Amino acid sequence: EVQLLESGGDLVQPGGSLRLSCAASGFTFSSYAMSWVRQAPGKGLEWVSAISDSGATTWFVDSVKGRFTISRDNSENTMYLQMKSLRADDTATYYCARDLSYHGSSGHINRFDPWGQGTLVTVSS
Amino acid sequence: QFALTQPASVSGSPGQSITISCTGTSSDVGNYNPVSWYQQHPDKAPKLLIYEGSKRPSGVSNRFSGSKSGNTASLTISGLQAEDEGDYYCCANSNAGTWVFGGGTKLTVL
Repeated sequence: EVQLLESGGDLVQPGGSLRLSCAASGFTFSSYAMSWVRQAPGKGLEWVSAISDSGATTWFVDSVKGRFTISRDNSENTMYLQMKSLRADDTATYYCARDLSYHGSSGHINRFDPWGQGTLVTVSS
Repeated sequence: QFALTQPASVSGSPGQSITISCTGTSSDVGNYNPVSWYQQHPDKAPKLLIYEGSKRPSGVSNRFSGSKSGNTASLTISGLQAEDEGDYYCCANSNAGTWVFGGGTKLTVL
């Protein structure tokens, strides 16, 4: 069974740092891209970042560029999200997802499947 | 700024069919930018329902179907059931490698 388990969420002060982890099992982790998606309390989903299967290529939403770093350790089947200079609007549940997205004849195809249960990050003084 | 627009809420009675729209522009949804759809129950992780506009992953009920007309993609749920109640999100490509979600639609089963 494919499973994703996030950890590392916590209460952190504005300007602080935090590292989230996403432990994967049940599939060949090194063969898949991975993504982080967040959801502020009572709000909708926001894609945050993605990393290619090898880790060589990364992507970020504009609002976190320069503050967040995504990485992975394929030997440990784990993906990370290093967050710095955290702001109140970074408060959210952070989900990791296996990223099956691809470029097909009909364009860029989104496919996040499955998702982990999420870890809550609260940025507050 | 690329954005996907969804209605805030829809409702229907058990057994009925409902449709949730996801509107972009002729530069994105209307131009080779298929959407995916996700279902989220309260306090649960999202689940993929539809990808590439109309394809269902294994295990997803055929009561869920996706389509597109012009700049608007749609998710149709037929034979509405109480368990379908929740939030639904569309998602599409923004720039290569990046993604944007619609604001979400809350489905209430009456």
